[in-house]
Amino acid sequence: ETGVTQTPRHLVMGMTNKKSLKCEQHLGHNAMYWYKQSAKKPLELMFVYNFKEQTENNSVPSRFSPECPNSSHLFLHLHTLQPEDSALYLCASSLFGTSGTDTQYFGPGTRLTVL
Amino acid sequence: ILNVEQSPQSLHVQEGDSTNFTCSFPSSNFYALHWYRWETAKSPEALFVMTLNGDEKKKGRISATLNTKEGYSYLYIKGSQPEDSATYLCAFTGANNLFFGTGTRLTVIP
Repeated sequence: ETGVTQTPRHLVMGMTNKKSLKCEQHLGHNAMYWYKQSAKKPLELMFVYNFKEQTENNSVPSRFSPECPNSSHLFLHLHTLQPEDSALYLCASSLFGTSGTDTQYFGPGTRLTVL
Repeated sequence: ILNVEQSPQSLHVQEGDSTNFTCSFPSSNFYALHWYRWETAKSPEALFVMTLNGDEKKKGRISATLNTKEGYSYLYIKGSQPEDSATYLCAFTGANNLFFGTGTRLTVIP
């Protein structure tokens, strides 16, 4: 399997549930990203990991907790979410996380619905 | 948060027509401008990265130009085909992170 994969593709959860989103990249990249896309809004950066270290947290509420055990895997742990957190969550990777010219390669996203 | 604007928001063209759309971004602290193509239910796919004022990039029937002094980029599609139907995103970076526009949704009618 190549590229960036995300599981699950769709997730419905209640506000009291705990769930995790998984992202895996097979490109040998060193940087990984979580983005959120809400309806009618641009893609919004949430977290950046570079060589497994978190280098960016874009003022994301603590109910979203990222984890990057190695350069190929990225998780987003979710707990006590709100209905307004319903959105498409995209993962991306790039060779390095410190260059603005680096192309980011995206997964297909997880469509999250919070009831 | 930087303001990246794309216009129009959506566009319908007939197969065979050529079309273009615009991305506007801050002209200060410019580093790079990215274009992505995003088909429904698929991953956004990188088209171009441009860094220099006056840059022109081409990939098949799709091309892009860049004006960093006035803060805009144009994406052109020549002889649109139904498979070009997608949302086209631009993203600006001043250093590291990408700031995306909301995209232009293109529908090519057979």
